[in-house]
Amino acid sequence: EAAVTQSPRSKVAVTGGKVTLSCHQTNNHDYMYWYRQDTGHGLRLIHYSYVADSTEKGDIPDGYKASRPSQENFSLILELASLSQTAVYFCASSPGQSNTEVFFGKGTRLTVV
Amino acid sequence: GDSVTQTEGLVTLTEGLPVMLNCTYQSTYSPFLFWYVQHLNEAPKLLLKSFTDNKRPEHQGFHATLHKSSSSFHLQKSSAQLSDSALYYCACSGGSNAKLTFGKGTKLSVKS
Repeated sequence: EAAVTQSPRSKVAVTGGKVTLSCHQTNNHDYMYWYRQDTGHGLRLIHYSYVADSTEKGDIPDGYKASRPSQENFSLILELASLSQTAVYFCASSPGQSNTEVFFGKGTRLTVV
Repeated sequence: GDSVTQTEGLVTLTEGLPVMLNCTYQSTYSPFLFWYVQHLNEAPKLLLKSFTDNKRPEHQGFHATLHKSSSSFHLQKSSAQLSDSALYYCACSGGSNAKLTFGKGTKLSVKS
């Protein structure tokens, strides 16, 4: 079965601090994504990547950076965490065609205090 | 870009009654439509996706019909079960970059 693993599963960060969320997939998928989930906003795309060493901006990239050092790994970086970035973050992967399933990790609950 | 509008907020049903969650979309492409379901403290997972040949997808008693004329992909089930209580997302994917655009989600609560 497709597997997307996120770490950590939860984190408390201080305002202004740096946060790195990690994601690892064993699906051999080209595409990887970072989504943010907030009540009332649903799932919104932050960054995505379709090849190692390259990332693309999604719909809400401000305040976030991404890194794809290999096909399997995709990180989301908050250089200066803010209260408004408190949310649940989901990593996902897919083969890349528009009609194919996207597989999600179990999410990381980030609380910025 | 693409956008998806769903029945917003909370839908509360009694077990055994029919379910209908609305979804409409806007896209510059002829997109694929999806329904994802997320149970409490779990990851979203695929429930249904549209077909290119106008077949009606069905899974776990749920079905949805893509109507291109009205840009809709409503989710239906004839009889709700307690285990259907979850957060449901409609999503569309078009173009060449395989980006999924999600609606805001509909929380379905089924009570006995």
